[in-house]
Amino acid sequence: DGGITQSPKYLFRKEGQNVTLSCEQNLNHDAMYWYRQDPGQGLRLIYYSQIVNDFQKGDIAEGYSVSREKKESFPLTVTSAQKNPTAFYLCASNPGQENGYTFGSGTRLTVV
Amino acid sequence: AQSVSQHNHHVILSEAASLELGCNYSYGGTVNLFWYVQYPGQHLQLLLKYFSGDPLVKGIKGFEAEFIKSKFSFNLRKPSVQWSDTAEYFCAVNAPPVTGGGNKLTFGTGTQLKVEL
Repeated sequence: DGGITQSPKYLFRKEGQNVTLSCEQNLNHDAMYWYRQDPGQGLRLIYYSQIVNDFQKGDIAEGYSVSREKKESFPLTVTSAQKNPTAFYLCASNPGQENGYTFGSGTRLTVV
Repeated sequence: AQSVSQHNHHVILSEAASLELGCNYSYGGTVNLFWYVQYPGQHLQLLLKYFSGDPLVKGIKGFEAEFIKSKFSFNLRKPSVQWSDTAEYFCAVNAPPVTGGGNKLTFGTGTQLKVEL
C-alpha cells in the first residue's frame, strides 16, 4: 500500500540533544512537508520541499533543519536551538496536483 | 501570505443537533480549500475539498461545506451530528503554484467538537 511512514511513533530525548525524525513516502510525490501540531495552535508549517535537493522554510523553521536528497525521504532534525521541541510532528506529501495531501501518522517528541 | 481563521475553538453539541463551523481565509488569489478531521488518536483525514465549480461541496460522513468567495469563507456544516463526530476539525487553504502560491497547505487553529449523547 502506498503511503507515508513516520518513525518512530514516540521519541524521548534529553534537552540539548539533536534528534532526527524520519519521513518516507512511496507515493512518488514531488512535494513533502513537515508540520508541528500543538494544542490550540493547529498545524504550523516547519519546512517544505517541492522537489529533490530543494526546500524552503515554513512559518516556524527556527531550530529545525531538513534535507531532501531522495524523493522518498524528507528527514527533520530538531536541534538544540529549538526552544520548545516537545510536540507532535506530522509529515505530509503532495503530488503537486490538486488531489491533495497525504499525512503520516506522526511522531510525538518529548524532550525532558 | 495566506492565513486561515477558525473562530470556534470548542463546540459542544447534543446528538442530532446541526453543526456549522466557521472558516475564513485571507489570500487574494485562487485557492484550494480543505477540511480535515482528526479523531482521537488517529491520522488527519480529508473530509472534503474545494478546487473549482459548484461552491457547495459534499464530503464524507454527511459533511458539506460552502465556499463563499465574497466572504472568503468555507464553513463546514452537518445537519445532524452523531456522537462519533467528536473530533478536532481543521480548515486549510492552499494557493497553487499556477496562481503564484507556494503550494503550501496552511491550517487554521482547529475546532474541537464534542458531541454528547
